[in-house]
Amino acid sequence: QEQLVHSGAEVKRPGASVKVSCKASGYSFSGYFMHWVRQAPGQGLEWMGWINPTNGGTTYAQKFQGRVTMTRDTSIGTAFMELNSLTFDDTAVYYCARSYTNYAWYDLWGQGSLVTVAS
Amino acid sequence: EFVLTQSPVTLSLSPGERASLSCRASQSVDRRFLAWYQQKPGQAPTLLFYGGSTRAPGIPDRFSGSGSGTDFTLTISGLEPEDFAVYFCQYYGASTSPFTFGPGTKVNI
Repeated sequence: QEQLVHSGAEVKRPGASVKVSCKASGYSFSGYFMHWVRQAPGQGLEWMGWINPTNGGTTYAQKFQGRVTMTRDTSIGTAFMELNSLTFDDTAVYYCARSYTNYAWYDLWGQGSLVTVAS
Repeated sequence: EFVLTQSPVTLSLSPGERASLSCRASQSVDRRFLAWYQQKPGQAPTLLFYGGSTRAPGIPDRFSGSGSGTDFTLTISGLEPEDFAVYFCQYYGASTSPFTFGPGTKVNI
């Protein structure tokens, strides 16, 4: 069964960093791009960027450039998203989602990781 | 700035009725790069359509996608109880605002 499994919920202070993981199973991890999308409480979906698991190449949304880093570990089929300098506005569910190429639809989503920024 | 607008914000209907959801782009887009997703409370989105009108595997044929240019429509003919959810459109083509999502339409009972 193809699935993406996220790491657990996190609570962080403003100014801190968070690193969320997304483990793929049931398919070839390197065969698909991995995107990260976030959703603030009661809000819509916001694309953050993608990583090409084959070579580690990344593209980030302009809004997050300089603050986000996407990496992967192909040996364990896991993608990571690290977001720095957290503010209250970063409170959201962070999803990984796969696509068969960089500009394609998302046919599989993880269950999401809730990141709460609170003082 | 490229923007997707969805209307209505909320659609209140009864089971068995037909739902028509609109997604309008701020500039003409290639329909091959338009997707629709369904999101139920507390769950991740799931893919309904890609390429504007190609149904994802397992999606019932009461769902249909259509449109071109700037105007796209998701139609649900004969709402089932499990169809009450939020629906998002997405443009996933290369642009200055890639992977833009619309704000969503909530289909309420």
